Amino acid sequence: GENVEQHPSTLSVQEGDSAVIKCTYSDSASNYFPWYKQELGKRPQLIIDIRSNVGEKKDQRIAVTLNKTAKHFSLHITETQPEDSAVYFCAAMGSSGGYQKVTFGTGTKLQVIP
Amino acid sequence: GAVVSQHPSRVICKSGTSVKIECRSLDFQATTMFWYRQFPKKSLMLMATSNEGSKATYEQGVEKDKFLINHASLTLSTLTVTSAHPEDSSFYICSANRQADTEAFFGQGTRLTVV
Repeated sequence: GENVEQHPSTLSVQEGDSAVIKCTYSDSASNYFPWYKQELGKRPQLIIDIRSNVGEKKDQRIAVTLNKTAKHFSLHITETQPEDSAVYFCAAMGSSGGYQKVTFGTGTKLQVIP
Repeated sequence: GAVVSQHPSRVICKSGTSVKIECRSLDFQATTMFWYRQFPKKSLMLMATSNEGSKATYEQGVEKDKFLINHASLTLSTLTVTSAHPEDSSFYICSANRQADTEAFFGQGTRLTVV
């Protein structure tokens, strides 16, 4: 099955600096890679996603890159703000045995220090 | 965006009883819903994939007879924790997709405490 590894598990940055979170996946059949932000006690919210036919996608301060050959994808947050503090999860999604499967990374707790 | 509603948000039950959690897609039809368990400060662990009109697909290590999943319609999936024990206490969360390989919309989650 799919295995998604995520690093680092915790990340502290000064406000205004950039934050980078990296994930690797094992199943070459995975073709959709979303990133979720989960604030304490709340549901995960999609912040950006990328499909396997695209190498990079950007949405304001957030960008995601995908390297299909190396099977890794990364989240980049620029000009971080205190409200960016949360746990971020990457995920890899694809079909397996006729069913759609999604595997989440282990999460990264991001702390933005004012 | 699409809305997924999960109820109840919190439930406390006695050991040995069963608890049902509902997951509804309010404004779209979800052919597939997912059920997760999340331990404190941990990632989302996929328990099972629920497909409308067919049996759920359980992940390895998840007891089918303990975690009963029913996906009776395109907008409703239920998870029943049977004969609950304290070790079943956890945060359970569902998600639904409009189509394959698209954004997953999450329910609010259910905090289950078994006493």
